Amino acid sequence: GENVEQHPSTLSVQEGDSAVIKCTYSDSASNYFPWYKQELGKRPQLIIDIRSNVGEKKDQRIAVTLNKTAKHFSLHITETQPEDSAVYFCAASINSGYSTLTFGKGTMLLVSP
Amino acid sequence: GAVVSQHPSRVICKSGTSVKIECRSLDFQATTMFWYRQFPKQSLMLMATSNEGSKATYEQGVEKDKFLINHASLTLSTLTVTSAHPEDSSFYICSAPPGQMIGYTFGSGTRLTVV
Repeated sequence: GENVEQHPSTLSVQEGDSAVIKCTYSDSASNYFPWYKQELGKRPQLIIDIRSNVGEKKDQRIAVTLNKTAKHFSLHITETQPEDSAVYFCAASINSGYSTLTFGKGTMLLVSP
Repeated sequence: GAVVSQHPSRVICKSGTSVKIECRSLDFQATTMFWYRQFPKQSLMLMATSNEGSKATYEQGVEKDKFLINHASLTLSTLTVTSAHPEDSSFYICSAPPGQMIGYTFGSGTRLTVV
């Protein structure tokens, strides 16, 4: 089955800095890669996703890049703010056929004022 | 947008009792729902895939007789934790794909504490 590795497990940055979280996946058939933000005790919230037919996607301060050949994808947050502090999860799935998401272990991002 | 409603949000039960958690898709039909468990400071781990009108598919290591899943309609899936023990205390969360081109949406989660 799919295996998703995520690094780093914790990331501390100063407000205004950029943050990068990286994930690798094992199943070359995976074609859907969402990123979720989870605050303590709450549900994961989708912040951005990318499909295998594109290499990069951007939404304001958040961007995701995908390298299918290397089977890795990354989340980039620019101009970080304290409210960006949360746990971020990457995931991968074969989106056709409603297959399940396989999650990375998560990255705790702390943005200090 | 696609919404999944999950209840209860928190439950405390005594060891040996059973607890039922419900997930409803409010504005779309969910032929499939996924049930995850999340222990503190850990990732979401898939427990089972709930399929409307058929038996659920359980992940390796998940006891199907302990975690009963019923997906009786296109909008409702339930997870029943039977004979709960303290080690079952966790955050349980469901997820459903509203459509092939739309991202998965999560329920609000259920914090189960077994005392």
